[in-house]
Amino acid sequence: LAKTTQPISMDSYEGQEVNITCSHNNIATNDYITWYQQFPSQGPRFIIQGYKTKVTNEVASLFIPADRKSSTLSLPRVSLSDTAVYYCLVADPFWGGYNKLIFGAGTRLAVHP
Amino acid sequence: DSGVTQTPKHLITATGQRVTLRCSPRSGDLSVYWYQQSLDQGLQFLIQYYNGEERAKGNILERFSAQQFPDLHSELNLSSLELGDSALYFCASSVGDRGVAYEQYFGPGTRLTVT
Repeated sequence: LAKTTQPISMDSYEGQEVNITCSHNNIATNDYITWYQQFPSQGPRFIIQGYKTKVTNEVASLFIPADRKSSTLSLPRVSLSDTAVYYCLVADPFWGGYNKLIFGAGTRLAVHP
Repeated sequence: DSGVTQTPKHLITATGQRVTLRCSPRSGDLSVYWYQQSLDQGLQFLIQYYNGEERAKGNILERFSAQQFPDLHSELNLSSLELGDSALYFCASSVGDRGVAYEQYFGPGTRLTVT
């Protein structure tokens, strides 16, 4: 079964770069790794996804090494509004056919002035 | 606003009862996913439907069932409710059939309290 590990919490200051790593063993070899952001009392919101190497969009970058055993979400120059919980999402390869989805436990990021 | 609607927003019921949660996906999305979020368990994937058919199953209890109707809305039925079923239940939708390959749009959730 796939298993994920994320730091429980992180602290940062406005304007800094934040890197959040998710370790994931035994994930589906043919599928993406995705990250979501969640604010209190709201549903998660898609940030970025990738399969391998590096992906960048207007809000974040995602680094995935060749062995795909981890992924790192990079948030450049965070602001107070980036205070949220961040989740990695992977697929379990052992369900057969279509894959069981597994969210990480979440990393609570607090950005300070 | 994600375009995904869930009703009701809040539900309070007693142990042993049965409830139905409803989800309408974004226009054009064929997949519906159900998740349970509790303080001690995080976001747990329950089940996915794609165009009316069950596509993937997660940690869904036998007391829970779901279906997706021809108009693509979905219902999650929870029966013989226990105190531990109290949680926030999210529905999400996506255009495609793989939950990590396609962006999922989450609804606002239904908060279920079992007393």
